[in-house]
Amino acid sequence: NAGVMQNPRHLVRRRGQEARLRCSPMKGHSHVYWYRQLPEEGLKFMVYLQKENIIDESGMPKERFSAEFPKEGPSILRIQQVVRGDSAAYFCASSPGERGEQFFGPGTRLTVL
Amino acid sequence: QQQVKQSPQSLIVQKGGISIINCAYENTAFDYFPWYQQFPGKGPALLIAIRPDVSEKKEGRFTISFNKSAKQFSLHIMDSQPGDSATYFCAAVRMDSSYKLIFGSGTRLLVRP
Repeated sequence: NAGVMQNPRHLVRRRGQEARLRCSPMKGHSHVYWYRQLPEEGLKFMVYLQKENIIDESGMPKERFSAEFPKEGPSILRIQQVVRGDSAAYFCASSPGERGEQFFGPGTRLTVL
Repeated sequence: QQQVKQSPQSLIVQKGGISIINCAYENTAFDYFPWYQQFPGKGPALLIAIRPDVSEKKEGRFTISFNKSAKQFSLHIMDSQPGDSATYFCAAVRMDSSYKLIFGSGTRLLVRP
């Protein structure tokens, strides 16, 4: 049973470009969480989604960031017009239900030049 | 506002020694406290977790001690091994909320042979 998959593992963007990060949850999991880890810091919650619904986006920056989890396909975290401060590791976690253990993917390391 | 404070930031222990990492929280609504282990380039993995109605939980060499009145909890790693060298994160969760993980800032553990 494959774990949580994230791609790409590394992403380099220039300021002003768009970044798209993908997360495929574990089989049978319909709940997805996104977290951001800045260098030398802990992980910070960004958004919680279920299929076709955003449940909690209290950790998402108000501008440039959006997330979706369509009925078919992976969850997408989209960052428009990236800035250097967006450089971080972005982790996705999935769980089988609201109170299930969260299983983390290997992360996408975004570097903004 | 840092809701979960973790210390120390880094820790060096000799092989066979005891590693102790401490966390303190502010919000009394938290009711689930997991610990995660993260190796370089990997996503966090759940190590052990505790609920506030229990003062101690042990799994193998890993023990969580929980002090509800002081709003503190700690991770003890007995007989520490070089393979335990990793970054450890405590976290807190409100089970009546979106189950998002609120992480501490992390402790980088190095176990010397």
